[in-house]
Amino acid sequence: EAEVAQSPRYKITEKSQAVAFWCDPISGHATLYWYRQILGQGPELLVQFQDESVVDDSQLPKDRFSAERLKGVDSTLKIQPAELGDSAMYLCASSSDRAEQFFGPGTRLTVL
Amino acid sequence: QKEVEQNSGPLSVPEGAIASLNCTYSDRGSQSFFWYRQYSGKSPELIMFIYSNGDKEDGRFTAQLNKASQYVSLLIRDSQPSDSATYLCAGTPASNTGKLIFGQGTTLQVKP
Repeated sequence: EAEVAQSPRYKITEKSQAVAFWCDPISGHATLYWYRQILGQGPELLVQFQDESVVDDSQLPKDRFSAERLKGVDSTLKIQPAELGDSAMYLCASSSDRAEQFFGPGTRLTVL
Repeated sequence: QKEVEQNSGPLSVPEGAIASLNCTYSDRGSQSFFWYRQYSGKSPELIMFIYSNGDKEDGRFTAQLNKASQYVSLLIRDSQPSDSATYLCAGTPASNTGKLIFGQGTTLQVKP
């Protein structure tokens, strides 16, 4: 069964350091999403790609976060510099028709 | 007012009972709604989606949508201890039908 792949699964970093997360969507899925989920809350969309184009990044803190999907396949989300409040689960999801979204296992980020 | 609201719970039901999970939304233009199950420390897993008013059944799960009341629910029949998880309700805003707005989730506990 096809799955969304993410790495790393866990990341511990110190504040002010840079971190990067990688996502490989289900093959053929044109739409890719990055979400952030703080403990006890639902996921919040950070950025949505349609192929290599950004569709929605209204909730992405652009002063420190960046995301790219250069060839319209896999994607990288970067935080620089990391802050204590960035500790959360970062989830990647993909969909084929902008309908049902399938999530990867997530990256648990801890900022010390 | 949050766009998608859920009671955080916990909702506790005995094994074999019907669990009823509820969700309200504020965007009258929202067309599609999704229920995800999330086990502690894991990523959300799609259970089912509903687009039309009325009921939609899939095995032990029934989703209900009432667009006039802006209300979505998920019924789980014959609840099992393995159903104990957080259930996330999500809707697609009229402004971007590829985006999901999540509620904070309801924690369900099924007691043997």
